[in-house]
Amino acid sequence: AQSVTQLDSHVSVSEGTPVLLRCNYSSSYSPSLFWYVQHPNKGLQLLLKYTSAATLVKGINGFEAEFKKSETSFHLTKPSAHMSDAAEYFCVVSPRGGSYIPTFGRGTSLIVHP
Amino acid sequence: KAGVTQTPRYLIKTRGQQVTLSCSPISGHRSVSWYQQTPGQGLQFLFEYFSETQRNKGNFPGRFSGRQFSNSRSEMNVSTLELGDSALYLCASSLAGAGLYNEQFFGPGTRLTVL
Repeated sequence: AQSVTQLDSHVSVSEGTPVLLRCNYSSSYSPSLFWYVQHPNKGLQLLLKYTSAATLVKGINGFEAEFKKSETSFHLTKPSAHMSDAAEYFCVVSPRGGSYIPTFGRGTSLIVHP
Repeated sequence: KAGVTQTPRYLIKTRGQQVTLSCSPISGHRSVSWYQQTPGQGLQFLFEYFSETQRNKGNFPGRFSGRQFSNSRSEMNVSTLELGDSALYLCASSLAGAGLYNEQFFGPGTRLTVL
């Protein structure tokens, strides 16, 4: 069994301030972890992925995430928010065994104020 | 390289009707997955096709079905539509599969409204 919990449904930041979107997961198998972003009326776009290489993963647009096995977390961060970062963000866990079916978190809406 | 395309982008149907949605994956991608996105349930996995075979299936009733053609294009069909089927249906393609290390490339979705 697996699950993903995005701890905040909404996060509000000012432009130029740091972003932290939190994700906790559980998985019976060693997982691959992903962050996707969805802008309004668009499909999802991959930001970054963890597949058991380096625990600190760098993605596009200045985002990065750190895999912490002991805390079963995969939080997404960015040093300085930009207005164009306003979107819905999804944390995804894909088990490397069993059904291989990915599970999506409920999403975190990032609001960026000027 | 062209991205994942989905047609139609918007669709309005009435209860009891059936609907077919189409997805063309990125060239060279053999896996196509379908997802349903609603405000209440979030993103839920419907099924995955790989080389014309359904490889994984989510927890949806039999009214939801799909198929994949030899060129990897996929269609999804929903029969006897219910109001609760109103959703954004997303298609995603990947080189090898929906899980197991592989990132997925998503289309823009088909917005289905059931009246």
